[in-house]
Amino acid sequence: DTEVTQTPKHLVMGMTNKKSLKCEQHMGHRAMYWYKQKAKKPPELMFVYSYEKLSINESVPSRFSPECPNSSLLNLHLHALQPEDSALYLCASSRTPGPNYEQYFGPGTRLTVT
Amino acid sequence: DAKTTQPNSMESNEEEPVHLPCNHSTISGTDYIHWYRQLPSQGPEYVIHGLTSNVNNRMASLAIAEDRKSSTLILHRATLRDAAVYYCILKEGAQKLVFGQGTRLTINP
Repeated sequence: DTEVTQTPKHLVMGMTNKKSLKCEQHMGHRAMYWYKQKAKKPPELMFVYSYEKLSINESVPSRFSPECPNSSLLNLHLHALQPEDSALYLCASSRTPGPNYEQYFGPGTRLTVT
Repeated sequence: DAKTTQPNSMESNEEEPVHLPCNHSTISGTDYIHWYRQLPSQGPEYVIHGLTSNVNNRMASLAIAEDRKSSTLILHRATLRDAAVYYCILKEGAQKLVFGQGTRLTINP
């Protein structure tokens, strides 16, 4: 099983709402990632969790708050977003964060901020 | 992060081989060369990766130049389902995949 699942598939939220994106993998991977992808652009890394600890934050605004409750689950909490935050949010995982391991991506959550 | 250069777009015909080039002249000795592809409306999909030697798997082959300054992803027999954006990425010890603009591959029936 090489599946990374993401919920919800689509999310529409207002600028004052609080919502969360969820990502799950059952491959025993110890590295998990959040990416953001704007239309017609490549994915951009947001956060890396390595062994359930945040190891990289690519200077992401604090209105995005990641959480890794256990080795299988990754959340992205959203609060007071702006319309320019509308994008496809992708989750990925890899066996470890090292360079010799491939990443498996989920299908993404398409977020629209109104 | 080391950078890669890929053509913006390429076109090929169904059932023919496709060679997707990637230049990475500033590659360091510890950088792995990764290829991912992204089909329309889907998340990226891992294709193949390597360090120095050529690599084969069920999806594709990766040919790495002797000086490692360039590589080529080879799809041996393209199908319509191979139409995607293909990303060549150098991955070092910094845990990060840094995506470039990629090559948009069109397959003609």
